[in-house]
Amino acid sequence: GAVVSQHPSRVICKSGTSVKIECRSLDFQATTMFWYRQFPKQSLMLMATSNEGSKATYEQGVEKDKFLINHASLTLSTLTVTSAHPEDSSFYICSADSGDTYNEQFFGPGTRLTVL
Amino acid sequence: GNSVTQMEGPVTLSEEAFLTINCTYTATGYPSLFWYVQYPGEGLQLLLKATKADDKGSNKGFEATYRKETTSFHLEKGSVQVSDSAVYFCALSDPRSSASKIIFGSGTRLSIRP
Repeated sequence: GAVVSQHPSRVICKSGTSVKIECRSLDFQATTMFWYRQFPKQSLMLMATSNEGSKATYEQGVEKDKFLINHASLTLSTLTVTSAHPEDSSFYICSADSGDTYNEQFFGPGTRLTVL
Repeated sequence: GNSVTQMEGPVTLSEEAFLTINCTYTATGYPSLFWYVQYPGEGLQLLLKATKADDKGSNKGFEATYRKETTSFHLEKGSVQVSDSAVYFCALSDPRSSASKIIFGSGTRLSIRP
């Protein structure tokens, strides 16, 4: 099956710094990728839809200047958490649209961000 | 709008017990339905899917049938194992949507006792 990787898997940073998380589709091209945030023991919350070659579409309530998304190629999308604060600590998961008829998405293993 | 409602957890069972996790949905048209599993500290893995009414998705002993008449997609397994302990998410996707968003249920935590 299709594989999606994320890097890093875990990151700890100081408050005020920026953190970049990469999402790659390893064996297929994805014009659309998605970024989710998951709080402990909760479901996934869609943050934004990342479109190759164009601006990301953010969900209501998600600050686009805080969470910068770049989808520069068909296999890579990046999420940058700018000026991170402790409340940004969370599990961030990306997924890539397979492009098939049924819109199956393949998920990355997630990145745990801890902001001190 | 589209939504997914699933059984609240946590669910705790003994090994070899029968499992049912209920899931119902609200959607316009004919969504695709999915069950995802999340093991501790990991991302989501697709467990099974069904793309049209009366389809049965199955994988690793788990099954779910797309029931349009009851708008349900309940997850079942005849004999659970300790290794099945995880969080299970029911989800739907509207193939007509160009954004192909997936809408997740709240998740059900399953713990299996040896």
